[in-house]
Amino acid sequence: EAGVAQSPRYKIIEKRQSVAFWCNPISGHATLYWYQQILGQGPKLLIQFQNNGVVDDSQLPKDRFSAERLKGVDSTLKIQPAKLEDSAVYLCASSLGLAVYNEQFFGPGTRLTVL
Amino acid sequence: GENVEQHPSTLSVQEGDSAVIKCTYSDSASNYFPWYKQELGKGPQLIIDIRSNVGEKKDQRIAVTLNKTAKHFSLHITETQPEDSAVYFCAASFSIPRDGLTFGKGTHLIIQP
Repeated sequence: EAGVAQSPRYKIIEKRQSVAFWCNPISGHATLYWYQQILGQGPKLLIQFQNNGVVDDSQLPKDRFSAERLKGVDSTLKIQPAKLEDSAVYLCASSLGLAVYNEQFFGPGTRLTVL
Repeated sequence: GENVEQHPSTLSVQEGDSAVIKCTYSDSASNYFPWYKQELGKGPQLIIDIRSNVGEKKDQRIAVTLNKTAKHFSLHITETQPEDSAVYFCAASFSIPRDGLTFGKGTHLIIQP
């Protein structure tokens, strides 16, 4: 079974530039998550989708971050404009359903460096 | 919101010895506690989990214990092997405003040969 795919794996940009990350979840997984993992910390949820609808985006900095999940499959996360503090690994995860005890499967992440 | 504290931040043990990582949580309504292992360059992977109606769960060399009264839970790894070297994260569930997980800051486990 193919896992969660993410691209690119690494991205270096200058502050105030824009960047986009792509995620392809495990086939059949209705729930998709984007997490931000700052060096030395645990993952922090940014946004959660159920199919193509947003379940929770309360921790997403909406003035600069946006995300969409068209057709309820792939998802993109965008940052515009980027700040130095956005340097982190952005993890995408998927699960079969919303219930918290459904295992979340994580992709390898995209490491973003903002200079 | 939920707050999860994890200790220690780094743990070095001799190969073959046991390792214990501890977490505390703040929300008494939490009822699900997973543990994830993250290897370098990879995403976290679930290794074991426990629900609040159980005090202990074991899977081969790993076990998790839960004390709901004290609001803490622990990961135990016995007979450690080099491939156990990784960063381990605990997490606790919350249900307001919706179901989700709060992660601890992680423990870097180093297995010394």
